[in-house]
Amino acid sequence: EVQLVESGGDLVQPGGSLRLSCAASGFSFSSYAIHWVRQAPGKGLEYVSGIGSNGGSTYYANSVKGRFTISRDNSKNMLYLQMGSLRAEDMAVYYCARTSCSSTICYRPFEYWGQGTLVTVSS
Amino acid sequence: DIVLTQSPGTLSLSPGERATLSCRASQSVSSTYLGWYQQKPGQAPRLLIYGTSSRATGIPDRFSGSGSGTDFTLTISRLEPEDFAVYYCQQYGSSLVTFGGGTKVEIK
Repeated sequence: EVQLVESGGDLVQPGGSLRLSCAASGFSFSSYAIHWVRQAPGKGLEYVSGIGSNGGSTYYANSVKGRFTISRDNSKNMLYLQMGSLRAEDMAVYYCARTSCSSTICYRPFEYWGQGTLVTVSS
Repeated sequence: DIVLTQSPGTLSLSPGERATLSCRASQSVSSTYLGWYQQKPGQAPRLLIYGTSSRATGIPDRFSGSGSGTDFTLTISRLEPEDFAVYYCQQYGSSLVTFGGGTKVEIK
């Protein structure tokens, strides 16, 4: 069974930093691109970032480019999102999600989702 | 970026009724790259439909999708109690995938 389990969400002050993690199991992690999608409280879904299966390619939404860094450790089946210069508008539940592709941009839907981790940005 | 506009924002219906949800794109989307998700409170989204009309694994046949170009529709033929939720359309045919704002299907 494919499982994605996010962790690391916390309360952080504006301008602060946080690292989210996503632990994967039940599939060959190193064969698939993995993505982050967020959802602000009571709002819709917003794509954040993605990374290819071997970590060689990454993609960021304009809203987080230059502030967030996605990475992965295939030896540990782990995905990370390093978040910096956090703003109030970054407050959201962050989901990791998987398509059926190895490349970052592959034109496929998100078949599997984690349960999410909440990031709260407030002073 | 491709903007997806969903309507109505809220749909109030009774169990057994038919639900018709609309998703309109700001520019043409290939039917291959349009999907629908269901989200219940406190849960992650679940893929229902991909490629406009193909049901994902385990999705009952009361869910169907149609459309082309800029106009797409999700239809739930007869609402079951577990179908009351928020539904999002998504386009994944461009480098930046985008989602609609959602339609809430609530019990009347």
